[in-house]
Amino acid sequence: QLQLQESGPGLVKASESLSLTCAVSGGSMSSNNYFWGWIRQPPGKGLECIGYIYYSGSTYYNPSLKSRVNISVDTSKNQFSLKLSSVTTADTALYYCARGGGYYDSNGYSRYHFDYWGQGTLVPVSS
Amino acid sequence: QSVLTQPPSVSAAPGQKVTISCSGTSSNIGNNYVSWYQQLPGTAPKLLIYDNNKRPSGTPDRFSGSKSGTSATLGITGLQTGDEADYYCGTWDSTLSVFGGGTRVTVL
Repeated sequence: QLQLQESGPGLVKASESLSLTCAVSGGSMSSNNYFWGWIRQPPGKGLECIGYIYYSGSTYYNPSLKSRVNISVDTSKNQFSLKLSSVTTADTALYYCARGGGYYDSNGYSRYHFDYWGQGTLVPVSS
Repeated sequence: QSVLTQPPSVSAAPGQKVTISCSGTSSNIGNNYVSWYQQLPGTAPKLLIYDNNKRPSGTPDRFSGSKSGTSATLGITGLQTGDEADYYCGTWDSTLSVFGGGTRVTVL
């Protein structure tokens, strides 16, 4: 059974960088059939996709966060990481890592979805 | 402000049926498949429905999904107390994964 586990500092100060790592166990990341994403949830609010990365290193970022986000993969450790720079209190959220899978059908419609999620880690940003 | 629009809450008595709507546009729901996620209190979201209406192993057949045009619907029949949770729809808009704001289901 695939498992994902987030880790990182419990508290970040405004203007600094937030760094999280997601360790993947129970399966290998080494397949371009899947991608590995970061999704966040501010307290009491909905889900927001930050971005995702393929094993090959190709990345896709939410345009609203693109200037501050970097996602990388460490294939030797079977883990991937998130760095979000210049954080503000608005970045306070539960951060989840997740595996994405699926494909584009013959019409070009996306059949991708997130099928495995980590338990999430709360990152408060202090002012 | 979420890209997809869901009602904030729905409720029904045990054994009854609820439906949750998810509204989008031609650039997201209209040209892609929809998935649904269940978030039980204090836990991470879990994939409930994918490809508009397919259930992963482990999802009871009381849960169903459908899509028409730029809207999707999640249905829950035979409502149980254990179904109390937040439910999110999700799809894609170009290369960005987008979600609804979530709907809280309350069992009266």
